[in-house]
Amino acid sequence: SQQGEEDPQALSIQEGENATMNCSYKTSINNLQWYRQNSGRGLVHLILIRSNEREKHSGRLRVTLDTSKKSSSLLITASRAADTASYFCATSGNKLVFGAGTILRVKS
Amino acid sequence: NAGVMQNPRHLVRRRGQEARLRCSPMKGHSHVYWYRQLPEEGLKFMVYLQKENIIDESGMPKERFSAEFPKEGPSILRIQQVVRGDSAAYFCASSPRQGASGDTEAFFGQGTRLTVV
Repeated sequence: SQQGEEDPQALSIQEGENATMNCSYKTSINNLQWYRQNSGRGLVHLILIRSNEREKHSGRLRVTLDTSKKSSSLLITASRAADTASYFCATSGNKLVFGAGTILRVKS
Repeated sequence: NAGVMQNPRHLVRRRGQEARLRCSPMKGHSHVYWYRQLPEEGLKFMVYLQKENIIDESGMPKERFSAEFPKEGPSILRIQQVVRGDSAAYFCASSPRQGASGDTEAFFGQGTRLTVV
């Protein structure tokens, strides 16, 4: 069964605002990864957080992981129109298992 | 270092025909994963292969679908006797070691969009 479940399914914000996306999963993980997909394109890896880490930063991205709640969040600060894309979390055992994604639309 | 290369990018097949999707992993990567994506949905795992071995095919339909990753050449996802429901985007990813675990990320190709008419 699918591991990661993102919410919200869709998010629309104004440029400059922050965007927060959440991901919940069901079983134990080695790590959790976030990917981005522009319409009609392949996925691009954004950030990986290990199961023993609680928070990680990369540029305007901030990822948190709460293994007790089996959840993660991705925060994009100071959003730009170019951030418009679908964002997926993926949990890692011997393969990456993806959620259904959050569609983010940043309006300029 | 070229990324993961998939071809063709677009493929149109009539019902009953065969579809062959190719994936060349990144140089030095010996692990390949195939995923399927329907419109507005996430990626569904299909199969995980190493060179000449199928490691996990738990997401692959039992009939009509097969995958291989030969010692030489690209990985092939083969769909026989295609039906309309096979229409989707098929993505390939590669990684240098098992399972994209630890610090290993997976690198994705641009996908093959299969349309069955």
